Amino acid sequence: QSALTQPASVSGSPGHSITISCTGTSSDVDNYDLVSWYQHRPGTAPKLVIYDGAKRPSGVSDRFSGSKSGNTASLTISELQAEDEADYYCCSYASRTTLGAFGTGTRVTVL
Amino acid sequence: QVHLVESGGGLIVTGGSLRLSCAASGFTFRDYYMSWVRQAPGKGLEWISYISGGGSPTYYSDSVKGRFSISRDNAKGSVYLEMKNLRADDTAVYYCARDRGRPPRNYYYYGMDVWGQGTTVTVSS
Repeated sequence: QSALTQPASVSGSPGHSITISCTGTSSDVDNYDLVSWYQHRPGTAPKLVIYDGAKRPSGVSDRFSGSKSGNTASLTISELQAEDEADYYCCSYASRTTLGAFGTGTRVTVL
Repeated sequence: QVHLVESGGGLIVTGGSLRLSCAASGFTFRDYYMSWVRQAPGKGLEWISYISGGGSPTYYSDSVKGRFSISRDNAKGSVYLEMKNLRADDTAVYYCARDRGRPPRNYYYYGMDVWGQGTTVTVSS
């Protein structure tokens, strides 16, 4: 199971926007709208913030948005807040395997 | 209230065995695929196993294949992870999670929308 590739860290100032990338292949991100994003704060359970590439679960702030271009999915957090500091992981269905893999993870720091 | 609660973690010696449990409530358990995901200290999330709503098929990551076994009891609303021949690199927080896909489904993954709080497994010699 090959992990999707994410930048190790991204930072931004309060009120600004940041974007996290998630690079896959033609057997996952490129050909399926089944990318999910998770927010994971230390000591808590991961939280689904985006599914099907761009949909938000009920209760998730509309400051979180998802998109895709080719084999790269992206998570954008707008109007950055201190509470957004966390690790973020993407994950996707992959046709080449029977068990997918999470992305390598991105640490988001609010300056 | 949709809820998952893991139990069964603890300190175990290298080569030992442990059984994790995850009790579900608040939803029609048999309709959902269930997964186990772990996070080792200082590492990222690792999806290690999942099971279909009916109990078969089951799948495993290469890191646990042959040593771990996932099962479920739909009457009890619980999913289990039997872990054998434990190694130091199995030390992690183990989470159970629900996949949001409902029958009929075309893919094994739609996103994990409900998670337990995690149970810690420490393997030491």
